[in-house]
Amino acid sequence: DAGITQSPRHKVTETGTPVTLRCHQTENHRYMYWYRQDPGHGLRLIHYSYGVKDTDKGEVSDGYSVSRSKTEDFLLTLESATSSQTSVYFCAISEQGEKLFFGSGTQLSVL
Amino acid sequence: AQRVTQPEKLLSVFKGAPVELKCNYSYSGSPELFWYVQYSRQRLQLLLRHISRESIKGFTADLNKGETSFHLKKPFAQEEDSAMYYCALLPWAGRGANNLFFGTGTRLTVIP
Repeated sequence: DAGITQSPRHKVTETGTPVTLRCHQTENHRYMYWYRQDPGHGLRLIHYSYGVKDTDKGEVSDGYSVSRSKTEDFLLTLESATSSQTSVYFCAISEQGEKLFFGSGTQLSVL
Repeated sequence: AQRVTQPEKLLSVFKGAPVELKCNYSYSGSPELFWYVQYSRQRLQLLLRHISRESIKGFTADLNKGETSFHLKKPFAQEEDSAMYYCALLPWAGRGANNLFFGTGTRLTVIP
């Protein structure tokens, strides 16, 4: 498996609280992505990064922000969590934007 | 805009039977198509990509530009093929990052 670690693996939080998910890679890949996986919707891109401090929005970016201050770390923040953000979140990395390597996922429950 | 459609959410076949997971796409340019697979308790991983023209674990997929399809096929299903399968499209937008667009997935169950 590619060196990609997500933390935490599971998180339960309350509506309105801030949440930060971390993705850490040891592959020195340029591209990093955050997806959410929901039944009936498949995988949807939230945000992505193509370099340090270079990020852009995906198709479901509302309510989420990201930061990438180092090549190896890509943080996803829910400023004020809502129940609709209950999901499984996957981080992915890629060297050239083609073949993606995925993390193990973070199960987030917003009560 | 690009779109990937997997019409079957669930697909069940018997062991040894042929299996076909359907994928249709819409995109005005020349896309690159992929199949990703997620086995139980494992990470989502690349199964195959159309430009490689290879067979992985007995699976093949042919890009049909006329029908805008990229169906995944295997002549004889095995129990270990049971998994969630995602079709994905990579549009060449010419930007710094090229983003995969995924379909909604098909859960394949192979019945012993």
